[in-house]
Amino acid sequence: QVQLVESGGGVVQPGRSLRLSCVASGFTFSSYPMHWVRQAPGKGLEWVAVIAYDGSIKLYADSVKGRFTISRDDSKNTLYLQMNSLRDEDTAMYYCARDPRAGQPDYLDYWGQGILVTVSS
Amino acid sequence: EVVLTQSPGTLSLSPGERATLSCRASQSVSNSYFAWYQQKPGQAPRLLMYGVSSRASGIPDRFSGSGSGTDSSLTISRLEPEDFAVYYCQLYGGSPLIIFGQGTRLEIK
Repeated sequence: QVQLVESGGGVVQPGRSLRLSCVASGFTFSSYPMHWVRQAPGKGLEWVAVIAYDGSIKLYADSVKGRFTISRDDSKNTLYLQMNSLRDEDTAMYYCARDPRAGQPDYLDYWGQGILVTVSS
Repeated sequence: EVVLTQSPGTLSLSPGERATLSCRASQSVSNSYFAWYQQKPGQAPRLLMYGVSSRASGIPDRFSGSGSGTDSSLTISRLEPEDFAVYYCQLYGGSPLIIFGQGTRLEIK
């Protein structure tokens, strides 16, 4: 069965960096676009970034553009989110999610359990 | 910038009743579709519906979707205790970005 497992979260000071990972299993990882979506405490869902199945296209929300970088290593079935210059408002649960089709960003059919990132001094 | 507005913000109903949740886009986006997700406390969102009226794998048929253009609705025909959760709509397909609504909380009356 499809599984997505995030890791790498924790407490970090403003201005510092953190890298999240998402290990995928149960499907051919290299065939699917992948997303990061976050949720601040008590708030709704906010889309963060997407990477095409072949890594050729990467798109970001305006709120993280220039600070976050999405990448993938298909040999490790792993999705990454490098987060630099972190701000208080980046505090959230971060989810990786699978996009079932290539092309324009789509609905998200499988989600990881999430990993918490807390930005605080 | 397209904004998705969900209504109502909170819906209070009893098990066995029918629930109708709405989602409206602030402007028309060509070739776009709506999806719906359910999120329970402490859990990740779960895909319920996509492409207007297609149910995701394993979703019971008491869930249905409808709508066109800038509007979408999610209907739960007879509420079960496990259906009380927060529901999010999402717009996809016609834009390079993904947009979520702010959510509707479905609570037990």
